[in-house]
Amino acid sequence: DTAVSQTPKYLVTQMGNDKSIKCEQNLGHDTMYWYKQDSKKFLKIMFSYNNKELIINETVPNRFSPKSPDKAHLNLHINSLELGDSAVYFCASSQAKLYGYTFGSGTRLTVV
Amino acid sequence: AQSVSQHNHHVILSEAASLELGCNYSYGGTVNLFWYVQYPGQHLQLLLKYFSGDPLVKGIKGFEAEFIKSKFSFNLRKPSVQWSDTAEYFCAVRDAGNMLTFGGGTRLMVKP
Repeated sequence: DTAVSQTPKYLVTQMGNDKSIKCEQNLGHDTMYWYKQDSKKFLKIMFSYNNKELIINETVPNRFSPKSPDKAHLNLHINSLELGDSAVYFCASSQAKLYGYTFGSGTRLTVV
Repeated sequence: AQSVSQHNHHVILSEAASLELGCNYSYGGTVNLFWYVQYPGQHLQLLLKYFSGDPLVKGIKGFEAEFIKSKFSFNLRKPSVQWSDTAEYFCAVRDAGNMLTFGGGTRLMVKP
C-alpha cells in the first residue's frame, strides 16, 4: 500500500480552468501538507493542516485552497489556473514532531 | 522566518569520488534536520535525519551527515559515490512550529 498517494500523477489543463488534486495518507498521521516544486526544483510550503489548524503560507494566492474531508485526506483546489501555476505539487504527511515527513509521488501540473 | 542554504547548486563527480554537500540554516532554536533525495522523475525520499544525540548521523545508501550546532550546519557526506547517486539532494529544517523548510537543492551528477 502506498503511504501517501496523489492523483492524478499528470494534469494538463487550460488557463482559467479550475482543478483539484487529491491526496490520501494511510499512515495515521495527524498533519498533512502541500508543497510546490518549481521548474528550478525549489520546494515551497503552501499549506500545513491538521484537524485543528490550517497554516497558510502568505505568499500563496487565494486561488489555491486546501480542502480536508477527513484526517486522511487533504485535497488541493485551484481556481482560475494561470501559466505560472505549472509545477510539480507534492503532498506530505507527518505525525506531529516525532518523525520526518512522508511525501507522495507528486502531481505534475501543466497549464497551457 | 527560517531559511536554509545549500551553497552547491551543481556538483559533478566521478564514480568513487568522495562527496560533501553543504547545508546551513538560520533558526537559532531547537531544530530537526533532514536530508532528502529526489531521483530523476521521482518523489522525495528521506536519506537521514537528526533529532538529538550523536551529531554524526548515518543514513541509507552509505550517506552520513554531521550536525555542528555552532556553525548551524548539517553537511551531507558519502565516502565513495556511485553513478546511481545521481539525483537532486535537499537539506531541510523543521523548527518548533513543525514546518519543514527546504534548501534550494543540489544537483549531483556522477559520471560513470
